[in-house]
Amino acid sequence: DAGVIQSPRHEVTEMGQEVTLRCKPISGHNSLFWYRQTMMRGLELLIYFNNNVPIDDSGMPEDRFSAKMPNASFSTLKIQPSEPRDSAVYFCASSRTGLAEAFFGQGTRLTVV
Amino acid sequence: AQKITQTQPGMFVQEKEAVTLDCTYDTSDPSYGLFWYKQPSSGEMIFLIYQGSYDQQNATEGRYSLNFQKARKSANLVISASQLGDSAMYFCAMREGTTGRRALTFGSGTRLQVQP
Repeated sequence: DAGVIQSPRHEVTEMGQEVTLRCKPISGHNSLFWYRQTMMRGLELLIYFNNNVPIDDSGMPEDRFSAKMPNASFSTLKIQPSEPRDSAVYFCASSRTGLAEAFFGQGTRLTVV
Repeated sequence: AQKITQTQPGMFVQEKEAVTLDCTYDTSDPSYGLFWYKQPSSGEMIFLIYQGSYDQQNATEGRYSLNFQKARKSANLVISASQLGDSAMYFCAMREGTTGRRALTFGSGTRLQVQP
């Protein structure tokens, strides 16, 4: 199994630009999570999908952030417009019913200048 | 209120010795799971060990064991025979058992450095 695949691995963008992060969960997994990791705030849950339906988006910082899961094998996290304070590592993770742990992707390191 | 508390920002241990990383949690759900993840300097999150709230025995996975004390709400990770490759950040996490809620809440992490 290829594991959770995130792209791009690194992204540098200018303030005000739109950024789209992508995630392919492990085949057969029906839960998908987006986390953000910063030095100041640690690992924060942004949004969580179950069977492609958003269950909890209370961690999404503001309206500039949006996430979609159009099908079981793909999810996007979009930031528009991006700001320097959005600089962080964004992780996607997936799991499935009956499985205890979540498996993480390699993360996307986003730098907004 | 913090749901997961890791009070040790950093720990040192000599190679081949055992080390305990502390974790306390807070939940009112009777059903929950506790996890430990390792994050080496390369950045990936690696699952190490899991303990369910109803599990009677402490979980073990190779050199990793989870010292689960339910009454004290603690879930400490014990690494035996430390190796240089164990140097990393270690995160404790909890999943509360409400139906459909499977998101993990993470602690702030402990940076472990194994010295030769």
